Amino acid sequence: EAGVAQSPRYKIIEKRQSVAFWCNPISGHATLYWYQQILGQGPKLLIQFQNNGVVDDSQLPKDRFSAERLKGVDSTLKIQPAKLEDSAVYLCASSFLGRGRNNEQFFGPGTRLTVL
Amino acid sequence: AQKVTQAQTEISVVEKEDVTLDCVYETRDTTYYLFWYKQPPSGELVFLIRRNSFDEQNEISGRYSWNFQKSTSSFNFTITASQVVDSAVYFCALSETASKIIFGSGTRLSIRP
Repeated sequence: EAGVAQSPRYKIIEKRQSVAFWCNPISGHATLYWYQQILGQGPKLLIQFQNNGVVDDSQLPKDRFSAERLKGVDSTLKIQPAKLEDSAVYLCASSFLGRGRNNEQFFGPGTRLTVL
Repeated sequence: AQKVTQAQTEISVVEKEDVTLDCVYETRDTTYYLFWYKQPPSGELVFLIRRNSFDEQNEISGRYSWNFQKSTSSFNFTITASQVVDSAVYFCALSETASKIIFGSGTRLSIRP
């Protein structure tokens, strides 16, 4: 069974530029998550989708971050414009059901973003 | 508020030694889930275990074991006879049934040959 796919694996941009990350969850997984992991810290949830609807985006900086999952399968996370503090690894995860329901989240390899 | 504390930032042991990674959590809910994840240098988070708050039985899986104690709000992870391949960052995490998963800051474990 294929795992969670993410691209690109690495991205270097200058501040104020835009960037987009792509995630394809495990087939059949209804729930998709985007996490931000700053160096030396644990992952922090940015947004959770259930199919193509947003369940939780309380920690998403909506002035510059946006995410969509239009067809309820793959998802795109965008940052526009990027700031230096956005340098982090962006992890995508998926699960069959929602979190807190005794359900395992499977993580992708992440996209390492460096903002110069 | 929910919080996960992993006080050990880095641990280094010699191969074949036993090592315990500490995790202390805070939550006001009576129903919650606890997790351990492994993050090897490749960056992918690997699920190790999930425990719900009503199951305090300790669990053993091969060289891995977990000690869940509600009385001290701890969920510690022990690796017996450590191996170089165990080198990674390990995260403890907490999920309340109606809210997000909160990760600790992680413990970087280095196993020296």
